[in-house]
Amino acid sequence: GDSVTQMEGPVTLSEEAFLTINCTYTATGYPSLFWYVQYPGEGLQLLLKATKADDKGSNKGFEATYRKETTSFHLEKGSVQVSDSAVYFCALSVDNTDKLIFGTGTRLQVFP
Amino acid sequence: DGGITQSPKYLFRKEGQNVTLSCEQNLNHDAMYWYRQDPGQGLRLIYYSQIVNDFQKGDIAEGYSVSREKKESFPLTVTSAQKNPTAFYLCASSIRPGTSGDTQYFGPGTRLTVL
Repeated sequence: GDSVTQMEGPVTLSEEAFLTINCTYTATGYPSLFWYVQYPGEGLQLLLKATKADDKGSNKGFEATYRKETTSFHLEKGSVQVSDSAVYFCALSVDNTDKLIFGTGTRLQVFP
Repeated sequence: DGGITQSPKYLFRKEGQNVTLSCEQNLNHDAMYWYRQDPGQGLRLIYYSQIVNDFQKGDIAEGYSVSREKKESFPLTVTSAQKNPTAFYLCASSIRPGTSGDTQYFGPGTRLTVL
């Protein structure tokens, strides 16, 4: 079945460090891919998305490129801030469905 | 401001009791969803509804029930049949049901604890 695999956390970085959170997927159709962010005690917010191969989603300095050849959608940011500390979820939705399939989430901790 | 509201934020229940979680949206979205979040397990879909008076089971519907009598509202009842109900419950909505790539918007969540 369709699934999403994320790197386990926590990821611990100093402020201004480079961030990569790996995400790979398995899907039978042509999925759309998403990154959501969850701040402590809150719901999820869409961070970025890509709906077809080679698309790049970007928002607030974060980027991810839909790589069909490697079935990946890795999240990157060039310089993280303390305020980026949160849990990041990779997710996919497959053609003509309502369902989002989530990874298990990766906690990011950024220290000054 | 448009958005999704969930109430209450924290809920405590005794074993054997049913409890209903509220979810309201004023985004005029057709589709609504309920997810359960447990530590280290990501989000799992409980129920979803594409249109008023219709809903479908998700991956973990056992022990839960829903209704969709109004477009704006999608309450979730956690019944006594749910064996392990302590979790964080998230409601979401989207504009176009059945469309891959459509963004789901989430409420702030309700944390349910069974005593």
